[in-house]
Amino acid sequence: QSALTQPPSVSGTPGQRVTISCSGSRSNIGGNPVNWYKQLPRTPPTLLIYNDYRRPTLVPDRFSGSRSGTSASLAISGLDSEDEATYFCGAWDVNVNGWVFGGGTRLTVL
Amino acid sequence: QLQLVESGGGLVRPGGSLRLSCTASHFSFSDSYMSWIRQTPGGGLEWVSFIGSSGLYTSSAHSVKGRFTTSRDNAKNSLYLDMTSLRIEDTALYYCARHKLENDPFDVWGRGTVVTVSS
Repeated sequence: QSALTQPPSVSGTPGQRVTISCSGSRSNIGGNPVNWYKQLPRTPPTLLIYNDYRRPTLVPDRFSGSRSGTSASLAISGLDSEDEATYFCGAWDVNVNGWVFGGGTRLTVL
Repeated sequence: QLQLVESGGGLVRPGGSLRLSCTASHFSFSDSYMSWIRQTPGGGLEWVSFIGSSGLYTSSAHSVKGRFTTSRDNAKNSLYLDMTSLRIEDTALYYCARHKLENDPFDVWGRGTVVTVSS
Protein backbone atom coordinates (compact mmCIF):
# COMPACT_ATOMS: atom_id res chain seq x y z
CA GLN A 1 0.00 0.00 0.00
CA SER A 2 1.66 3.23 -1.17
CA ALA A 3 1.50 6.37 0.93
CA LEU A 4 0.39 8.40 -2.10
CA THR A 5 -2.57 7.29 -4.21
CA GLN A 6 -2.52 7.32 -7.99
CA PRO A 7 -4.85 5.71 -10.51
CA PRO A 8 -3.29 2.49 -11.82
CA SER A 9 -3.84 3.47 -15.44
CA VAL A 10 -4.98 6.22 -17.78
CA SER A 11 -5.23 6.35 -21.53
CA GLY A 12 -5.66 8.85 -24.32
CA THR A 13 -5.39 9.29 -28.04
CA PRO A 14 -2.62 11.20 -29.83
CA GLY A 15 -3.01 14.95 -29.40
CA GLN A 16 -5.33 14.62 -26.43
CA ARG A 17 -4.74 16.01 -22.93
CA VAL A 18 -4.65 13.65 -19.94
CA THR A 19 -4.20 14.22 -16.23
CA ILE A 20 -2.84 11.94 -13.53
CA SER A 21 -3.83 12.58 -9.93
CA CYS A 22 -1.79 11.99 -6.78
CA SER A 23 -3.47 12.09 -3.40
CA GLY A 24 -1.68 12.23 -0.07
CA SER A 25 -1.99 13.69 3.40
CA ARG A 26 -0.94 16.65 5.50
CA SER A 27 2.37 15.03 6.38
CA ASN A 28 3.48 14.82 2.76
CA ILE A 29 1.72 16.65 -0.08
CA GLY A 30 -0.10 18.90 2.36
CA GLY A 31 3.15 20.55 3.40
CA ASN A 32 5.79 19.68 0.83
CA PRO A 33 6.26 20.04 -2.92
CA VAL A 34 5.57 17.15 -5.26
CA ASN A 35 7.87 15.67 -7.85
CA TRP A 36 6.93 13.51 -10.80
CA TYR A 37 9.01 10.81 -12.43
CA LYS A 38 8.62 9.07 -15.77
CA GLN A 39 9.70 5.47 -16.23
CA LEU A 40 10.00 3.63 -19.51
CA PRO A 41 10.17 -0.19 -19.44
CA ARG A 42 13.45 -1.62 -18.21
CA THR A 43 14.92 1.80 -17.46
CA PRO A 44 15.26 3.79 -14.23
CA PRO A 45 12.83 6.62 -13.46
CA THR A 46 13.75 10.10 -14.65
CA LEU A 47 12.75 13.41 -13.11
CA LEU A 48 9.89 14.98 -15.05
CA ILE A 49 8.48 17.71 -12.80
CA TYR A 50 9.92 19.05 -9.53
CA ASN A 51 8.72 21.46 -6.86
CA ASP A 52 5.12 21.00 -8.03
CA TYR A 53 5.42 22.54 -11.49
CA ARG A 54 9.03 23.16 -12.46
CA ARG A 55 10.44 21.32 -15.47
CA PRO A 56 14.05 20.18 -15.81
CA THR A 57 15.85 21.34 -18.91
CA LEU A 58 14.80 19.31 -21.96
CA VAL A 59 11.35 18.39 -20.58
CA PRO A 60 8.86 19.92 -23.03
CA ASP A 61 6.20 22.33 -21.83
CA ARG A 62 3.53 19.77 -22.79
CA PHE A 63 4.11 18.50 -19.26
CA SER A 64 2.79 20.55 -16.36
CA GLY A 65 2.18 19.98 -12.67
CA SER A 66 0.13 21.51 -9.91
CA ARG A 67 -0.59 21.01 -6.21
CA SER A 68 -3.52 22.02 -4.03
CA GLY A 69 -4.13 20.94 -0.46
CA THR A 70 -3.19 17.29 -0.10
CA SER A 71 -3.41 16.49 -3.82
CA ALA A 72 -1.33 17.06 -6.91
CA SER A 73 -1.74 16.41 -10.58
CA LEU A 74 0.32 15.95 -13.69
CA ALA A 75 -1.08 17.08 -17.02
CA ILE A 76 0.21 15.99 -20.40
CA SER A 77 -1.08 17.81 -23.44
CA GLY A 78 -0.55 16.99 -27.12
CA LEU A 79 -0.24 13.30 -26.22
CA ASP A 80 2.41 11.43 -28.21
CA SER A 81 3.26 7.73 -28.44
CA GLU A 82 6.59 8.45 -26.73
CA ASP A 83 4.63 9.47 -23.64
CA GLU A 84 3.63 5.85 -23.05
CA ALA A 85 5.26 5.11 -19.72
CA THR A 86 4.59 4.75 -16.01
CA TYR A 87 4.44 7.96 -14.00
CA PHE A 88 5.16 8.20 -10.29
CA CYS A 89 4.56 11.05 -7.88
CA GLY A 90 6.76 11.52 -4.85
CA ALA A 91 6.94 13.85 -1.88
CA TRP A 92 8.84 14.35 1.36
CA ASP A 93 6.93 13.06 4.38
CA VAL A 94 7.66 14.63 7.75
CA ASN A 95 6.33 11.61 9.65
CA VAL A 96 8.65 9.28 7.76
CA ASN A 97 11.54 11.75 7.69
CA GLY A 98 11.98 10.50 4.18
CA TRP A 99 10.27 10.11 0.85
CA VAL A 100 7.00 8.51 -0.12
CA PHE A 101 5.81 7.60 -3.59
CA GLY A 102 2.59 6.85 -5.37
CA GLY A 103 2.00 3.38 -6.77
CA GLY A 104 2.52 4.58 -10.33
CA THR A 105 0.15 5.26 -13.23
CA ARG A 106 0.60 3.49 -16.53
CA LEU A 107 -0.24 5.76 -19.44
CA THR A 108 -1.38 4.11 -22.66
CA VAL A 109 -1.58 6.07 -25.90
CA LEU A 110 -4.30 4.44 -27.97
CA GLN B 1 27.36 12.62 -18.34
CA LEU B 2 26.35 12.28 -14.70
CA GLN B 3 26.45 8.61 -13.82
CA LEU B 4 25.64 6.23 -11.01
CA VAL B 5 26.43 2.51 -11.23
CA GLU B 6 25.13 0.01 -8.67
CA SER B 7 26.60 -3.41 -7.95
CA GLY B 8 26.48 -6.18 -5.39
CA GLY B 9 23.02 -7.58 -5.94
CA GLY B 10 22.32 -11.29 -6.05
CA LEU B 11 20.41 -14.23 -4.63
CA VAL B 12 20.46 -14.62 -0.86
CA ARG B 13 18.61 -16.81 1.65
CA PRO B 14 16.18 -15.29 4.16
CA GLY B 15 18.15 -14.09 7.16
CA GLY B 16 21.24 -13.53 5.04
CA SER B 17 23.28 -10.41 4.33
CA LEU B 18 24.39 -8.46 1.31
CA ARG B 19 26.32 -5.27 0.59
CA LEU B 20 25.32 -3.03 -2.29
CA SER B 21 27.63 -0.42 -3.75
CA CYS B 22 27.01 2.61 -5.92
CA THR B 23 29.82 4.45 -7.70
CA ALA B 24 29.35 7.99 -8.93
CA SER B 25 31.09 9.83 -11.73
CA HIS B 26 31.03 13.19 -13.49
CA PHE B 27 29.54 15.18 -10.63
CA SER B 28 30.57 16.39 -7.20
CA PHE B 29 29.64 13.33 -5.15
CA SER B 30 30.86 14.81 -1.87
CA ASP B 31 28.41 17.72 -2.21
CA SER B 32 25.39 15.51 -2.83
CA TYR B 33 22.88 13.74 -0.67
CA MET B 34 22.32 10.17 -1.80
CA SER B 35 19.42 7.78 -1.42
CA TRP B 36 18.64 4.14 -1.97
CA ILE B 37 15.28 3.48 -3.56
CA ARG B 38 13.91 0.07 -4.42
CA GLN B 39 11.38 -1.09 -6.96
CA THR B 40 9.38 -4.15 -6.03
CA PRO B 41 8.46 -6.91 -8.48
CA GLY B 42 5.00 -5.35 -8.59
CA GLY B 43 6.51 -2.14 -9.93
CA GLY B 44 6.09 0.20 -6.97
CA LEU B 45 8.83 2.49 -5.73
CA GLU B 46 9.87 2.53 -2.09
CA TRP B 47 12.41 4.91 -0.63
CA VAL B 48 14.84 2.94 1.55
CA SER B 49 17.33 5.40 3.05
CA PHE B 50 19.33 8.57 2.53
CA ILE B 51 22.66 9.87 3.72
CA GLY B 52 23.86 13.45 3.96
CA SER B 53 26.79 14.73 1.98
CA SER B 54 29.30 14.32 4.83
CA GLY B 55 27.96 10.93 5.85
CA LEU B 56 27.10 12.05 9.36
CA TYR B 57 23.33 12.16 8.87
CA THR B 58 21.21 9.24 7.75
CA SER B 59 17.55 8.33 7.76
CA SER B 60 15.84 5.12 6.75
CA ALA B 61 12.38 3.73 6.13
CA HIS B 62 10.63 1.98 8.99
CA SER B 63 10.60 -1.27 7.01
CA VAL B 64 14.42 -1.51 7.02
CA LYS B 65 15.33 0.31 10.21
CA GLY B 66 17.72 -1.70 12.34
CA ARG B 67 18.51 -4.09 9.47
CA PHE B 68 19.99 -1.86 6.73
CA THR B 69 22.88 0.59 7.17
CA THR B 70 23.77 3.31 4.68
CA SER B 71 27.29 4.69 4.45
CA ARG B 72 29.53 6.49 1.98
CA ASP B 73 33.18 7.02 1.14
CA ASN B 74 33.57 10.41 -0.51
CA ALA B 75 37.20 9.71 -1.38
CA LYS B 76 36.02 6.80 -3.49
CA ASN B 77 32.85 8.48 -4.78
CA SER B 78 30.97 5.52 -3.40
CA LEU B 79 27.74 4.82 -1.56
CA TYR B 80 26.96 1.59 0.27
CA LEU B 81 23.96 -0.26 1.63
CA ASP B 82 24.67 -3.01 4.14
CA MET B 83 21.64 -5.26 4.36
CA THR B 84 21.24 -7.84 7.13
CA SER B 85 18.41 -10.10 8.30
CA LEU B 86 17.07 -10.05 4.78
CA ARG B 87 13.43 -10.97 4.23
CA ILE B 88 11.57 -12.22 1.19
CA GLU B 89 9.83 -8.86 0.96
CA ASP B 90 13.21 -7.14 0.47
CA THR B 91 13.33 -8.68 -3.01
CA ALA B 92 13.55 -5.74 -5.40
CA LEU B 93 15.59 -3.77 -7.89
CA TYR B 94 17.70 -1.38 -5.83
CA TYR B 95 18.56 2.03 -7.26
CA CYS B 96 20.88 4.66 -5.90
CA ALA B 97 19.89 8.23 -6.65
CA ARG B 98 21.30 11.70 -6.12
CA HIS B 99 19.56 14.66 -4.57
CA LYS B 100 21.23 17.97 -3.84
CA LEU B 101 19.71 18.49 -0.42
CA GLU B 102 17.68 16.42 2.03
CA ASN B 103 14.24 16.92 0.50
CA ASP B 104 15.26 17.81 -3.04
CA PRO B 105 14.09 15.63 -5.93
CA PHE B 106 16.09 12.71 -7.27
CA ASP B 107 17.74 14.10 -10.37
CA VAL B 108 20.20 11.30 -11.20
CA TRP B 109 19.43 7.58 -10.94
CA GLY B 110 21.53 4.50 -11.52
CA ARG B 111 20.28 1.53 -13.50
CA GLY B 112 19.86 -0.58 -10.40
CA THR B 113 20.98 -3.93 -9.05
CA VAL B 114 18.65 -6.84 -8.35
CA VAL B 115 18.36 -8.40 -4.91
CA THR B 116 16.44 -11.65 -4.64
CA VAL B 117 15.71 -13.13 -1.22
CA SER B 118 14.54 -16.70 -1.54
CA SER B 119 15.01 -20.08 0.08
